[in-house]
Formats: sequence, C-alpha cells, structure tokens
Amino acid sequence: EVQLLESGGGLEQPGGSLRLSCEASGFTFSSYTMTWVRQAPGKGLEWVSSISGSGGTTYYTDSVKGRFTISRDSSKNTLYLQMNSLRAEDTAVYYCAKGGGCYDWGQGTLVTVSS
Amino acid sequence: DIVVTQTPLSSPVTLGQPASISCRSSQSLVHSDGNTYLNWLQQRPGQPPRLLIYKISNRFSGVPDRFSGSGAGTDFTLKISRVEAEDVGVYYCLQTTQSPYSFGQGTKLEIK
Repeated sequence: EVQLLESGGGLEQPGGSLRLSCEASGFTFSSYTMTWVRQAPGKGLEWVSSISGSGGTTYYTDSVKGRFTISRDSSKNTLYLQMNSLRAEDTAVYYCAKGGGCYDWGQGTLVTVSS
Repeated sequence: DIVVTQTPLSSPVTLGQPASISCRSSQSLVHSDGNTYLNWLQQRPGQPPRLLIYKISNRFSGVPDRFSGSGAGTDFTLKISRVEAEDVGVYYCLQTTQSPYSFGQGTKLEIK
C-alpha cells in the first residue's frame, strides 16, 4: 500500500523559510517522479513542482521559481520542498503526490505565512 | 503555458442521474511520445484529492466503473453514469503533458 506522509508545515513570517518533507513507503521510491501540489484555503489545486526519479530533472510553477527547491533522498525514501522568501500567497495545504500524474496523495501539511 | 478550462463550475445532479464535466486545454495535450497526459481527480469534502482517470480514459485502481473519461487533443470529458451520494465533491482535470503542469479550476458536484 502506497503511503505518503507530509510534515514540516507551520506558521512562518513573510520572508522566512520552511522545509517540507514527504516520507514515502509501499513502492520503489526512486522509480517515480514525485510532485508537490498546494491548495490555498477555499481554493482549487495548484501544481507547484515535480522532480524526476533520479532527481536530475526538476520543474516549477513560475510563482515559486527561484524561491522553492524540490529535492529527494532515495536512501531515506523522502521528498523535500525547501521554501524560502515566503509570501502570504504561499499559505496553503501542501500535498505530495506519487508520479507526475499524481497517482497517490498524502494527507497534506498546512503552511501559514503571516506576521 | 497551457491553460485548462473546466465547465461547468458547478453541477447540481439528481441521485441516479448522469453527470458530465468538460475540460478544454489551450493547446493540444498530445505529448511527443504519443500519449495524452490528461487526468481526472476527485476531492471529497475534507479529504485529499484522489486520482480517478489517467491518460484520458484509464480508470485508476479501485475506481468504480460508473466513472469514464473520453476525448482527444484539446477536449476531454469525465462522465458519471449514475451519480451516487458519495460522488459529492470537486472534480479537477490535470494536464501533465507540458511543464508547467496545470489543473482546471474545479467543478463542484452537488446533489439536487
């Protein structure tokens, strides 16, 4: 059974940093692209970033380019999202998903950016 | 960037009746590898999203056969043959043919 467990969310001030983690189990982690998707309160889904199975290729939505960095550690079966220069508009539940097509999802972690 | 537009944004449906949601992309979703990476997801209230359909018409594991997907190029449709109470939620299409990937705005399915 695929399991994805996000952690690292919380309250951060504008301009601050957070690192999200997503611990994966139940599948061969290194074989799959992994994705971060966010959902602002009461809003729809927004694709944020994806990373290839090898970690060699990354993709970002324009609004986070230069501020967020996706990475993965296959020895720990863990996906990361380093978020710097946080803005109020980054406030959302952040989900990690298996595959570029988002085949399986975690429960999400809430990031709140506010002073 | 590819823009994905869903219609309608809200769909009141009677239990047992069919429902249909449209998804239109601003450019063709046919990838250079010949596949079309258009997926459909369901998000029930208070839950994370769940994949229903991948690559236009393939039902994901555990998805009831009352859900079906069709389409090609830039026009795609999700159909529910007979709506059940557990189908209430928001439905999204997602294109992963070209980065940046993009979701539709979502269609809220509710029972009349």
